[in-house]
Amino acid sequence: AQSVTQPDIHITVSEGASLELRCNYSYGATPYLFWYVQSPGQGLQLLLKYFSGDTLVQGIKGFEAEFKRSQSSFNLRKPSVHWSDAAEYFCAVGAVTGRRALTFGSGTRLQVQP
Amino acid sequence: EAQVTQNPRYLITVTGKKLTVTCSQNMNHEYMSWYRQDPGLGLRQIYYSMNVEVTDKGDVPEGYKVSRKEKRNFPLILESPSPNQTSLYFCASSRAGTEETQYFGPGTRLLVL
Repeated sequence: AQSVTQPDIHITVSEGASLELRCNYSYGATPYLFWYVQSPGQGLQLLLKYFSGDTLVQGIKGFEAEFKRSQSSFNLRKPSVHWSDAAEYFCAVGAVTGRRALTFGSGTRLQVQP
Repeated sequence: EAQVTQNPRYLITVTGKKLTVTCSQNMNHEYMSWYRQDPGLGLRQIYYSMNVEVTDKGDVPEGYKVSRKEKRNFPLILESPSPNQTSLYFCASSRAGTEETQYFGPGTRLLVL
C-alpha cells in the first residue's frame, strides 16, 4: 500500500532563513509526487509536482523539491522564507490515471518568526 | 477565473439529518473527487467520478453517496450523518488525460453533533 510520511509536524523558522520540509513515500510503481500548501481557511494549492525527468523540480513562490529514488524522498526547499509562507504543507503521492487517488502525508505546519 | 467551489463552507448539523455538500467546477474537467481531511491522517479519498454518470468508491466511502448528473457538479450526500463524519471535506477536479493536476476547492468544515 502506498503511504507518505512527513516526520515534522511543526517547524518554526526565522524570516529569511532557509527551509527544508521532509517527505518520505512508499509506492509500488513509479511515483507521481506533489507538494500542496494550505493557508488558514483556504483550500489546497499546488506548489510543484514531479512526474518524470529532472529530479529537481521548480515550483511557484520560489519553492523547489528534489526527488531521490534511492531514499524514497521528495523534500521541499526554499532558500529564503517569507512571513507569507506560514501555512501547512502536504506531500502527496499517487496515480495520474484511473481513480487518481492521492495519498497525503499528515502535513507540516510552518511558522515564520519575524 | 478557473476554480472549484464548494457550498456550504461551514455546516453544523445533528446526527441523522440528511445533508448535501455541493461541488462545482468551471474548467470542464471530466474527473472529480471528494476527500476528507482529519488531524494526523492527511486527506483520504471518499469517492471519485471519471465522467458524467460514472462514479466509484475511494478509500473511505462508508456513510457517503455521490452523484454525477452534470459534468460540472459532483455533490456529496450524507444520508444519515454521524459524529465520526465530522471533518474537513475537499472536492477536487482535473482533466481526464494522464499527468493532469488535481485542483482543490476551498473545503467544507462539517460538525455533526
